[in-house]
Amino acid sequence: AQSVTQLGSHVSVSEGALVLLRCNYSSSVPPYLFWYVQYPNQGLQLLLKYTTGATLVKGINGFEAEFKKSETSFHLTKPSAHMSDAAEYFCAVTLNSGTYKYIFGTGTRLKVLA
Amino acid sequence: EPEVTQTPSHQVTQMGQEVILRCVPISNHLYFYWYRQILGQKVEFLVSFYNNEISEKSEIFDDQFSVERPDGSNFTLKIRSTKLEDSAMYFCASASDSTYEQYFGPGTRLTVT
Repeated sequence: AQSVTQLGSHVSVSEGALVLLRCNYSSSVPPYLFWYVQYPNQGLQLLLKYTTGATLVKGINGFEAEFKKSETSFHLTKPSAHMSDAAEYFCAVTLNSGTYKYIFGTGTRLKVLA
Repeated sequence: EPEVTQTPSHQVTQMGQEVILRCVPISNHLYFYWYRQILGQKVEFLVSFYNNEISEKSEIFDDQFSVERPDGSNFTLKIRSTKLEDSAMYFCASASDSTYEQYFGPGTRLTVT
């Protein structure tokens, strides 16, 4: 069965500092991986996705993530945090078969300090 | 840009009442989903719908829940007799058949009192 683990339910960084949000997955077959962002009282917005091809994927708002099969990881990074990045971030996985349902991680709340 | 819409944005209901949550998926999409997020918790899969039938449902999706696509545009989630623990944000999502990217609606916050 698939599962997603996000280490760190809360992460604080200073404005301008590197953002690193961790995501590890468990899957018996190569998964498709996603990062979504949720601002307060809003829905889920896709940041980036990995399906096939290049393992380093770039998304919106300067975020990127690298799929590392050997480490079963898909960590999200941004070189320089901005106050507007404060939000909750969810990693999700789906398989290339069946219903393509998403399995979400528990989320990481990012706080950006001035 | 096309988007998924959901109504109402907030629904308050009394325990035991029936509620219907409505979604309008993106028009050329073929896969439809409902997820829920209890306050402070992760987003959980409820049900997927394809070709006018349920393709998968989770353990949460018991006999109190049902889904319909009544008119080719709307996609509804009905809870027959709400319980306090049904209080959550409910998200609708849709996807085309050529990508695995799901587009989420803004959610309906259901409060059961």
